[in-house]
Amino acid sequence: QKEVEQNSGPLSVPEGAIASLNCTYSDRGSQSFFWYRQYSGKSPELIMSIYSNGDKEDGRFTAQLNKASQYVSLLIRDSQPSDSATYLCAVNLPLYNQGGKLIFGQGTELSVKP
Amino acid sequence: EPEVTQTPSHQVTQMGQEVILRCVPISNHLYFYWYRQILGQKVEFLVSFYNNEISEKSEIFDDQFSVERPDGSNFTLKIRSTKLEDSAMYFCASNSNRDILYEQYFGPGTRLTVT
Repeated sequence: QKEVEQNSGPLSVPEGAIASLNCTYSDRGSQSFFWYRQYSGKSPELIMSIYSNGDKEDGRFTAQLNKASQYVSLLIRDSQPSDSATYLCAVNLPLYNQGGKLIFGQGTELSVKP
Repeated sequence: EPEVTQTPSHQVTQMGQEVILRCVPISNHLYFYWYRQILGQKVEFLVSFYNNEISEKSEIFDDQFSVERPDGSNFTLKIRSTKLEDSAMYFCASNSNRDILYEQYFGPGTRLTVT
């Protein structure tokens, strides 16, 4: 069974702080890794993608990947109340180079307090 | 910015009825997907579709489910005889497969309620 694990939270941080979200995955054949943000009742919104080891930064967001440890993380700097949402970690399992399928974790609920 | 669109936003149906959920993927994308999310649970993969055929389907995607690309823009999910446990949000997604990332973009979803 291919699994993606996240702490469900809730993770509560004060406004302006760094929020750190973590994810582990079981399948070493996983090729690319994603963080989606999901507001209540809405669809997943892609915020970060990464496929090579190391850090990838985009604005206030940094994704980190360590394939040896099968670990992905997302850092949100200068957290804002509007960042309050559920963050979904997703892993792509390629299907013979036919676009793959995403396996999702259960999501971590983030609450940013003003 | 191009978006995936889905209709209807909410569908209420009686158990045993057929429903068709519709999606318009991003226009230059080649790969299409359906996922579902039961309230309070994970997003689950249902099926992937490429070059007018199913690439892979999950255990959830049994004989009651089918997908179709009836024309150059629409992508549909049909549930032939709905069950109470089919109540969920259904998301369509697409990607272009133009790089290794296989980024998938999701539509707003259809909330299916089976009574």
